Amino acid sequence: AQRVTQPEKLLSVFKGAPVELKCNYSYSGSPELFWYVQYSRQRLQLLLRHISRESIKGFTADLNKGETSFHLKKPFAQEEDSAMYYCALSVTNFGNEKLTFGTGTRLTIIP
Amino acid sequence: EAGVVQSPRYKIIEKKQPVAFWCNPISGHNTLYWYRQNLGQGPELLIRYENEEAVDDSQLPKDRFSAERLKGVDSTLKIQPAELGDSAVYLCASSALAGGHYNEQFFGPGTRLTVL
Repeated sequence: AQRVTQPEKLLSVFKGAPVELKCNYSYSGSPELFWYVQYSRQRLQLLLRHISRESIKGFTADLNKGETSFHLKKPFAQEEDSAMYYCALSVTNFGNEKLTFGTGTRLTIIP
Repeated sequence: EAGVVQSPRYKIIEKKQPVAFWCNPISGHNTLYWYRQNLGQGPELLIRYENEEAVDDSQLPKDRFSAERLKGVDSTLKIQPAELGDSAVYLCASSALAGGHYNEQFFGPGTRLTVL
């Protein structure tokens, strides 16, 4: 069965400093990986997915199959980045399959 | 566009009582999901519908949980009877039909259930 691990429950970073939220997964096949974000008093929403290879709000994430990781990075943290971040995995590319979520990391940006 | 609508937003009940949650997905979205999110955890899928058909209910505790999606639009999730361990946030999400590509899931605000 697939599993997603986010080792940090809490992460505090000073404004302007680099951010890295860690995500590791276990799955023997070729998964799709995603980052979802939940800002205070807002809904859970998709931030980015690995197949898009795009930068969203300055965040990027690279799928490393050798290390089975999908860490989320941003070079310069902003106060509005404070939120709950969830890494998620989908086991097929065939559309609407279920997502397996990690336990989440609460990111706090210190002004 | 209101997005995925859920009601109620909060519910407090005593154990052994029944409870129901309602979800209205985004118009045109064929796929509907119910997730449960326990405190300090990520969401976990309970059931997935393609139109009115439940295509994945392997994680639904069928002894006390039931769900329906009549006419392939709105959905109701029911717990009867509720137990203390059912306290959680229940999330509904919807997405467009697959077509061979992953389609983004859009989440509702959730229903926070407290069982006393």
